[in-house]
Amino acid sequence: AQTVTQSQPEMSVQEAETVTLSCTYDTSESDYYLFWYKQPPSRQMILVIRQEAYKQQNATENRFSVNFQKAAKSFSLKISDSQLGDAAMYFCAYRSAHAGGTSYGKLTFGQGTILTVHP
Amino acid sequence: GAVVSQHPSWVICKSGTSVKIECRSLDFQATTMFWYRQFPKQSLMLMATSNEGSKATYEQGVEKDKFLINHASLTLSTLTVTSAHPEDSSFYICSARLAADTQYFGPGTRLTVL
Repeated sequence: AQTVTQSQPEMSVQEAETVTLSCTYDTSESDYYLFWYKQPPSRQMILVIRQEAYKQQNATENRFSVNFQKAAKSFSLKISDSQLGDAAMYFCAYRSAHAGGTSYGKLTFGQGTILTVHP
Repeated sequence: GAVVSQHPSWVICKSGTSVKIECRSLDFQATTMFWYRQFPKQSLMLMATSNEGSKATYEQGVEKDKFLINHASLTLSTLTVTSAHPEDSSFYICSARLAADTQYFGPGTRLTVL
């Protein structure tokens, strides 16, 4: 079974600064997807960024980028120019790329990191 | 973008009663929906995978007779918490799979059992 670990329960950053959230995972599969989700106080889950394991290039979405280290099974999220609206709980998630099965597409989440942004 | 709704957003019930939560994909068809449970400041724990037209697949440790899941159409899955007790109080979130690698989440339902 796959596991996802976020070792930082809480992080804080000053507005306009950069912060990096850590995530490691364990899997025996070679093909999979990794995601970062944001859960603001409204509790609506929002997809921030995704990475396909077969792609060596790190994914980037505006101020959000990842550092994907497949051999080390590490998948960190960097938020640049942090904004007050970035304050939320962030979850790292894993999904197998193998098709089929009744649980195809299910996500395995890490414990989450609460990010506070100070003005 | 694809939208998933949940109803109700908040429900309070008495211990021993049953509560039904609906999850709807509003602008797409979803053959697969997922049900999660989340305690305050904790992660989402997958409870079950709901497949249209077939029985749900429950995760280990989840009581299938207590958490009844029905996926009767391509746009609706329901979770019924039977004989609810205070320990069932939690935040329940559903998601719907649109394509192979795209999953959209509902806004969640807060259940409080008195």
